[in-house]
Amino acid sequence: EAQVTQNPRYLITVTGKKLTVTCSQNMNHEYMSWYRQDPGLGLRQIYYSMNVEVTDKGDVPEGYKVSRKEKRNFPLILESPSPNQTSLYFCASSLKGRGSIYGYTFGSGTRLTVV
Amino acid sequence: TQLLEQSPQFLSIQEGENLTVYCNSSSVFSSLQWYRQEPGEGPVLLVTVVTGGEVKKLKRLTFQFGDARKDSSLHITAAQPGDTGLYLCAGGGSGGSNYKLTFGKGTLLTVNP
Repeated sequence: EAQVTQNPRYLITVTGKKLTVTCSQNMNHEYMSWYRQDPGLGLRQIYYSMNVEVTDKGDVPEGYKVSRKEKRNFPLILESPSPNQTSLYFCASSLKGRGSIYGYTFGSGTRLTVV
Repeated sequence: TQLLEQSPQFLSIQEGENLTVYCNSSSVFSSLQWYRQEPGEGPVLLVTVVTGGEVKKLKRLTFQFGDARKDSSLHITAAQPGDTGLYLCAGGGSGGSNYKLTFGKGTLLTVNP
């Protein structure tokens, strides 16, 4: 089954403790992206990647890091999480240059709480 | 910056009623997509419209792209409780930006039995 898999689904952590949210897709998509979703603010893009070793900032990159060492994986790293990073996070992928035509495939989300 | 405004923000109706939600922008988009998101899950693509004036039907859902490719609507006929969810519109970039989608904030639809 074609899918984007995120782990973990739920995570509660403490301020300052580094964490990684993993994302993997099995569709050979070049484009991958991370979003956070907050009430009243909608989906906001954090980082995106056009291909292996090619990443760029989205609209809200502060406090986050990403890497793209393999085509299928795009982990999101929070080096020193803070309570304002409490949110619902989604990973998404699409065929390179075709997101506007074929759309994005989203993962099921990671609900992160930072206390 | 391209923005998409969705209205209404919230909609609560009874089973069997019809409804329309709107997605508007001052910018032109190469395409317009609609997604549905159920609680605890990621958005799922419903449809993509790419031509100004285009109308697509998906069972009881009718999607329309405005002639000027700045707006879109989603009409649901005889809504059912299974239609409950957050409906998101997303505008597609063009040319070198056709990988990019700009999302609206969504319309939260509740269909009561």
